[in-house]
Amino acid sequence: DADVTQTPRNRITKTGKRIMLECSQTKGHDRMYWYRQDPGLGLRLIYYSFDVKDINKGEISDGYSVSRQAQAKFSLSLESAIPNQTALYFCATSDPNKAAGTSGRPRGTYNEQFFGPGTRLTVL
Amino acid sequence: EDKVVQSPLSLVVHEGDTVTLNCSYEVTNFRSLLWYKQEKKAPTFLFMLTSSGIEKKSGRLSSILDKKELSSILNITATQTGDSAIYLCAVEDNNDMRFGAGTRLTVKP
Repeated sequence: DADVTQTPRNRITKTGKRIMLECSQTKGHDRMYWYRQDPGLGLRLIYYSFDVKDINKGEISDGYSVSRQAQAKFSLSLESAIPNQTALYFCATSDPNKAAGTSGRPRGTYNEQFFGPGTRLTVL
Repeated sequence: EDKVVQSPLSLVVHEGDTVTLNCSYEVTNFRSLLWYKQEKKAPTFLFMLTSSGIEKKSGRLSSILDKKELSSILNITATQTGDSAIYLCAVEDNNDMRFGAGTRLTVKP
């Protein structure tokens, strides 16, 4: 089973609709992230959360909101979708305090991110 | 403004060739630089670099960080068609992670 799952995997919606993208993880990581990927622009950070009570804006948070319902769940909402929000959205998790199988690495310095499979969103 | 720039944006080679991908960055409080490989779906982790001059290797892939030059390279030797992917560089700056646009590598038989 996948450690980081996203639902839905594909969604087509219309301008002005409210959309929620869900992310769940079984890795036990505290940190979760939402990114969008556009051709030629790489991955851009929308929001990130270090724990249930700690949510932070990323590089491009305008037009988005998030909810961290539990350690394992992080949802991204588009309150009123617009066409330029058409993109591939990725959720990711990390936990710098876990060695993740790499011996000798100081705690707090390991920030490998584990990505979900992505949600392709099209706003018409 | 913090930024991560990768070059080239696109590269086409033949099997057996060696390639070098570049990543340069400008961030306020550098913590680490990470390389990811993205094939059809989600990015998968390759390397994390925190110290200058220490090469990380995994099979035919290797990477090194130069903090003085604010850059990193990813080398792939004896390329195979399975190396075709987008290679992403990301820089961790305090609590933020900033990605470059990626290098699309195509390896032809």
